[in-house]
Amino acid sequence: QVQLVQSGAEVKKPGASVKVSCKASGYTFTDYYLHWVRQAPGQGLEWMGWINPKSGGTSYAQKFKGWVTMTRDTSITTAYMELSTLTSDDAAVYYCAKSYYSNVEVAAATGTFDYWGQGTLVTVSS
Amino acid sequence: QSALTQPASVSGSPGQSITISCTGTTSDIGGYNYVSWYQQHPGKAPKLMIFDVNNRPSGVPDRFSGSKSGNTASLTISGLQAEDDGDYYCSSYTSSSTQVFGTGTKVTVL
Repeated sequence: QVQLVQSGAEVKKPGASVKVSCKASGYTFTDYYLHWVRQAPGQGLEWMGWINPKSGGTSYAQKFKGWVTMTRDTSITTAYMELSTLTSDDAAVYYCAKSYYSNVEVAAATGTFDYWGQGTLVTVSS
Repeated sequence: QSALTQPASVSGSPGQSITISCTGTTSDIGGYNYVSWYQQHPGKAPKLMIFDVNNRPSGVPDRFSGSKSGNTASLTISGLQAEDDGDYYCSSYTSSSTQVFGTGTKVTVL
């Protein structure tokens, strides 16, 4: 069965960086984009971007360009999301989510998410 | 990219039907049939309920249905059940090749 298992909760100081991992299993890792979505406490969902695990290509939401980096390690079927220069506004639960459509389909990057990780809580506090 | 607009809350009694609207623009909902709906329970990850406007993933009850007209998408839950209580988010692909979520709707089963 498809599983996305994320790394544990993090506490960071303002100005620091955080790197969250997402270990995929139960499907061919390189065949489906992985997206990252965050949710601040009591707030809605916010799309951050995606990575194509096959090529390493990425696409980021305009808001996050320049301070988010998405990478992957195909040898261990794990994707990573690193956010730098954290502020209190970045305190949130961060989710990875698998694309419903495979990479070869036209709709691959359209953001239909059929499986989600359990979420990683990032706290930013001095 | 601004969030899609959803009503803050919708409620209904068990067995009733409710509809949640999701309003965007010609650059997102109106331009593409890549509208999805997600259900989220407190402390849990979202769950895909509808994709491509009106398709249900396997395992999702047929009480859930989706539609779209112009720049507005809708999710209808028929025969409301207690377990349908939760938050619902719409999502759409955009002309900027990005994804945008709705503001979220809290569904209360009375």
